[in-house]
Amino acid sequence: SQQGEEDPQALSIQEGENATMNCSYKTSINNLQWYRQNSGRGLVHLILIRSNEREKHSGRLRVTLDTSKKSSSLLITASRAADTASYFCATDRWRGGKLIFGQGTELSVKP
Amino acid sequence: DVKVTQSSRYLVKRTGEKVFLECVQDMDHENMFWYRQDPGLGLRLIYFSYDVKMKEKGDIPEGYSVSREKKERFSLILESASTNQTSMYLCASSPLGLAGGRGTDTQYFGPGTRLTVL
Repeated sequence: SQQGEEDPQALSIQEGENATMNCSYKTSINNLQWYRQNSGRGLVHLILIRSNEREKHSGRLRVTLDTSKKSSSLLITASRAADTASYFCATDRWRGGKLIFGQGTELSVKP
Repeated sequence: DVKVTQSSRYLVKRTGEKVFLECVQDMDHENMFWYRQDPGLGLRLIYFSYDVKMKEKGDIPEGYSVSREKKERFSLILESASTNQTSMYLCASSPLGLAGGRGTDTQYFGPGTRLTVL
């Protein structure tokens, strides 16, 4: 079963606005990752946040993790049309490299 | 940069055919994975491998098999293709888990193979 669930399923914003996507999960994790997928392509890793971290930044990306609420959020600031893609959160199940992916948030940034 | 390549971007096969999807990674990663992606269902793990000649079933292994004869290559085999196997197939690789087995490292994905079974 899918552990990570993204919210909203789809998001449409104007260029320059901020985009926030949320991810909830059910069981304890070691880390949580966010990936991006352009239409019809493979996934690209964006950021990994460990269970003992609360916030992490990478360029225009900001990820927060609240382990007490079992939730994470991805904020993209000053969005661009090129940010249009699907965004997935992924959590690890147990040791050995397996991830569970959510169903993704489809972000559309209009010029 | 890590590079994961898949043998085909688009593939059209007929029901009952045996289908081979090849994946090659160039970063000496121990772990390799095969997923399928369908609208509304997200990514589902078919099989994965931690080492050469080693394989483990994922969430939806029925109708598939895999082969890992060399560390860099992980093949997905559809023994007798069926129309419900029409999907986007994604291969990924990752290095060995963090020290002490805590956590899962980044997975690097190939570009995907869109398979249509007629």
